[in-house]
Amino acid sequence: NAGVTQTPKFRVLKTGQSMTLLCAQDMNHEYMYWYRQDPGMGLRLIHYSVGEGTTAKGEVPDGYNVSRLKKQNFLLGLESAAPSQTSVYFCASRLDRDEQFFGPGTRLTVL
Amino acid sequence: GENVEQHPSTLSVQEGDSAVIKCTYSDSASNYFPWYKQELGKGPQLIIDIRSNVGEKKDQRIAVTLNKTAKHFSLHITETQPEDSAVYFCAASTGTASKLTFGTGTRLQVTL
Repeated sequence: NAGVTQTPKFRVLKTGQSMTLLCAQDMNHEYMYWYRQDPGMGLRLIHYSVGEGTTAKGEVPDGYNVSRLKKQNFLLGLESAAPSQTSVYFCASRLDRDEQFFGPGTRLTVL
Repeated sequence: GENVEQHPSTLSVQEGDSAVIKCTYSDSASNYFPWYKQELGKGPQLIIDIRSNVGEKKDQRIAVTLNKTAKHFSLHITETQPEDSAVYFCAASTGTASKLTFGTGTRLQVTL
């Protein structure tokens, strides 16, 4: 099993550009999460999904959209990137117990 | 919403010594408290967790204690080794979606 994978690993955007981050898990997990990690602030929840076709807002959802069309994939979109969205983005998934499994992260820089 | 505070932000210990990291939480409904270890350039990895119906849990050199009344929990690492050097995060969650609220992290450095 590959676990949780994230694509791409690194990306540089210009202000106003759009992009989609892909998270994929092969563990048949129901729950999936997107977090951002900034220096000195820990990880903060952006959006999450409790199952295929469902999404919900987390702590810092503004400027992001998500979709969960397939159970194994959770997409995070930035429609118009801003420098404040420079961060490391982590995806996580969970079955029914509490433990969340994290992917390796995507480092995004917005110039 | 939930607020988790974590101290210290950095911790340096000599190999073989013990390390203690402390966290407090604000929401009395929180019922799950995991600890994650993050190595440079990698995603967080769960090292130990505790639920609100348990006061202490141990796994080899790692232990976690929970005081529900005071709303604080701590990570204890004994006989530290250089490979324990990393950033450690505490978190708290509640509800069926288990949304995690993280502390701000502790950078642990184990020196020879």
